[in-house]
Amino acid sequence: SQQGEEDPQALSIQEGENATMNCSYKTSINNLQWYRQNSGRGLVHLILIRSNEREKHSGRLRVTLDTSKKSSSLLITASRAADTASYFCATEWSSASKIIFGSGTRLSIRP
Amino acid sequence: NAGVMQNPRHLVRRRGQEARLRCSPMKGHSHVYWYRQLPEEGLKFMVYLQKENIIDESGMPKERFSAEFPKEGPSILRIQQVVRGDSAAYFCASSPLKTSGRGYEQYFGPGTRLTVT
Repeated sequence: SQQGEEDPQALSIQEGENATMNCSYKTSINNLQWYRQNSGRGLVHLILIRSNEREKHSGRLRVTLDTSKKSSSLLITASRAADTASYFCATEWSSASKIIFGSGTRLSIRP
Repeated sequence: NAGVMQNPRHLVRRRGQEARLRCSPMKGHSHVYWYRQLPEEGLKFMVYLQKENIIDESGMPKERFSAEFPKEGPSILRIQQVVRGDSAAYFCASSPLKTSGRGYEQYFGPGTRLTVT
């Protein structure tokens, strides 16, 4: 089964609002990463947070990691139309050199 | 520095034919990963390779699928005797040599969309 599961599966918000997506995982990880995928395109790496970190910022993005709950959240502040995309979390397992992707959250920003 | 290159971008094959998908990693990257994505779904890990070495192929179907990353040239994902269920987007990603404990990010190519008719 998938290591990471995003919640919600789909999210539609008004431009300017904040968007929050969550990711839960099952086993011990080295790090967790968030990626964005625009329709029909490849994935773009957004941010990596290591297992010993609790929060990380990059521009309008804020990622938190709670290893005790095995969960992470991605917050996009002041959303823009260009943020419309699918967002995936990916976990690097402690026991294997690969990353496993969740099924994604489809974010739509209404003008 | 060119990004990860994949070709072809679109590939149409009839059932029973072979499909060859190519991936050239970013310069200096020694790790290559292949993923498959069905419509409206996330990426499914298929295989992880280093030069001349398959490190993890736990996501590869047991039959008809093979992958290689030769000493020279691109990585190849080969699908023999394609069936309609093989229709998907296949993404390749590369990463630099991993420094122990530091983690790494993957750089993705634009994907190859395979359609089996």
